[in-house]
Amino acid sequence: AQSVTQPDIHITVSEGASLELRCNYSYGATPYLFWYVQSPGQGLQLLLKYFSGDTLVQGIKGFEAEFKRSQSSFNLRKPSVHWSDAAEYFCAVDPGYAGNNRKLIWGLGTSLAVNP
Amino acid sequence: KAGVTQTPRYLIKTRGQQVTLSCSPISGHRSVSWYQQTPGQGLQFLFEYFSETQRNKGNFPGRFSGRQFSNSRSEMNVSTLELGDSALYLCASSPTGLNNNEQFFGPGTRLTVL
Repeated sequence: AQSVTQPDIHITVSEGASLELRCNYSYGATPYLFWYVQSPGQGLQLLLKYFSGDTLVQGIKGFEAEFKRSQSSFNLRKPSVHWSDAAEYFCAVDPGYAGNNRKLIWGLGTSLAVNP
Repeated sequence: KAGVTQTPRYLIKTRGQQVTLSCSPISGHRSVSWYQQTPGQGLQFLFEYFSETQRNKGNFPGRFSGRQFSNSRSEMNVSTLELGDSALYLCASSPTGLNNNEQFFGPGTRLTVL
């Protein structure tokens, strides 16, 4: 079955430390890939997306992600975490099927806590 | 531009009742998608509407229905509420839908079923 896996349910990092959130998907072809962030009481905001081309994509708030086809992964990274980055992070995949069956498949999310 | 708005933000209902949630997309966006978010299941796709037509549907029972109006505003209805319907319901809009377009999310409606 098609799935998106975020192996880490909860991560705690210190402010200023680097961050990597993992995302793996199970699809044969290269899908469209997204990372969203959800702050408490808020909707989801798109951090970055990958459709094609350069496998390292830059997003907002200093985030970047790298698509690795061989590993079916799309990990999110940030060199130096800020306290305001504490939130829930979701990886999502659009398999790119044609027709009326297109929809985003979501990981269960990784909750990020930042220690001062 | 104003963002996606959802009303009401919070709702408490009892089992067996029905509920209607509303979503106003960003001006000019014609696609509206609905998601159910729960701690155990994460985000699950309910359906997508585009130009007043349901274009895509997730795996939810028929108790969950929706519609879209000519101004692209959308409503979602849940009939015969069950305890398990307690969730955050998110609406997202995009210009044309899931074809490589970013989805813009509203803040959600928190539904509690007692």
